[in-house]
Amino acid sequence: QKEVEQNSGPLSVPEGAIASLNCTYSDRVSQSFFWYRQYSGKSPELIMSIYSNGDKEDGRFTAQLNKASQYVSLLIRDSQPSDSATYLCAVNSDSNYQLIWGAGTKLIIKP
Amino acid sequence: EADIYQTPRYLVIGTGKKITLECSQTMGHDKMYWYQQDPGMELHLIHYSYGVNSTEKGDLSSESTVSRIRTEHFPLTLESARPSHTSQYLCASTRDSSYNEQFFGPGTRLTVL
Repeated sequence: QKEVEQNSGPLSVPEGAIASLNCTYSDRVSQSFFWYRQYSGKSPELIMSIYSNGDKEDGRFTAQLNKASQYVSLLIRDSQPSDSATYLCAVNSDSNYQLIWGAGTKLIIKP
Repeated sequence: EADIYQTPRYLVIGTGKKITLECSQTMGHDKMYWYQQDPGMELHLIHYSYGVNSTEKGDLSSESTVSRIRTEHFPLTLESARPSHTSQYLCASTRDSSYNEQFFGPGTRLTVL
C-alpha cells in the first residue's frame, strides 16, 4: 500500500524562526509532490508544488525534494502567527490520477 | 488556479432526508474528486471522476452517490442522511493530468441530527 508519512505534531516554533516540516513517501515512481496548508475548518490550499530533485523557493516557502531518500520537506522562513495551520503533504500516484495524502502536521507559531 | 464552488456551505438536516451537495468548476477540468474529512482528521477520497459519464468510488466506503453529466458539475447525493454522515465534504478538481495538482472548493459542512 502506497503511503505518505508525516509527524502529526504539534510543531511549535517561535515567531521569526524557521519552521521545518517533513514528509516521507513509499512509492518510488511518484513524480509530483505538493504541500497544502489547511486552516481549522477551511479547505486545503495549495502552497507549493515540486517535481524534480532539489529546492524550490517561493517567497518565505522552500520545498525540498530528495527522490533517492523518498522525502520531501517544507521550510517556512520568518514564521508568522498566520502560518499556524495544518500542513498536508500529498504525492501523485502514477498508477492513477489520485493523490496520496499524509495525515498532516499541525504547526503552531508562538508570538 | 481553479474557480471551484460548493453549495451549500453549511447544512443541518434531519435523519432520513435526501440531500445533494453541489460542486461546480469553471476551468473545464476533466478530473474531479470528492473527499470527506472529519475535524482534525485526514482526508479520505470517497468518489472521483475522470470525465463526463465517468465515476468511481474512492478508498473510503461511502453511502453517497455521484454523477457527472456535464464537465463542470459533479454533485454528490445522500439518499437517506444519517448522523454518521456528519462531516465536512470537500470537492476538488485538477487542471493537469500529468501532475495532478488539485484545487479545492470551500467545502460543505454537513450536520445530520
